[in-house]
Amino acid sequence: DTAVSQTPKYLVTQMGNDKSIKCEQNLGHDTMYWYKQDSKKFLKIMFSYNNKELIINETVPNRFSPKSPDKAHLNLHINSLELGDSAVYFCASSRRQGTGANVLTFGAGSRLTVL
Amino acid sequence: GENVEQHPSTLSVQEGDSAVIKCTYSDSASNYFPWYKQELGKGPQLIIDIRSNVGEKKDQRIAVTLNKTAKHFSLHITETQPEDSAVYFCAASNPGDYKLSFGAGTTVTVRA
Repeated sequence: DTAVSQTPKYLVTQMGNDKSIKCEQNLGHDTMYWYKQDSKKFLKIMFSYNNKELIINETVPNRFSPKSPDKAHLNLHINSLELGDSAVYFCASSRRQGTGANVLTFGAGSRLTVL
Repeated sequence: GENVEQHPSTLSVQEGDSAVIKCTYSDSASNYFPWYKQELGKGPQLIIDIRSNVGEKKDQRIAVTLNKTAKHFSLHITETQPEDSAVYFCAASNPGDYKLSFGAGTTVTVRA
């Protein structure tokens, strides 16, 4: 059973198009995230939702819009795609441990290529 | 906000040797320090973590040490094997914070 699954795994599209990436987790976690990994492997947080409420919104162009219909799903919609949006986007989920630690489980990633 | 620096960016070791990756953090309030391993084409996976009330933690061939005074922590892999080849990320977070700040990653290559 896949814990955090995201689709599609690969996405190739033209500049200016609008695209969506979907994420689902079956771990019963209450917090979900989108991270962007650039070509240098750097992992940067974009958004986080806790119980369907936005709790982290980093400096991300407003062409990126997350949506969380329920605790188990977090989708990412990107408008007017630009060359610089090419990256691997990772979905993750977490539940706070009794120790206070927030342990993240990542999906396999969605590689977006904008031509 | 928290700033995590990670060194080296690449590390090549002979199979059987040890590998050490070092990270420093800026926020003295940080209290949770996980390490993630990312294999080619996959998402990062947690391999070990440590909290600020512990100085060292070991799990088979991997160990993590934490120096709160100096604000640095390290990952040690002993008896490296080809399957240890991957990108390793350190991270840090503050108490009650959902945000995990990652280091820039270390690409480890284990030569057979």
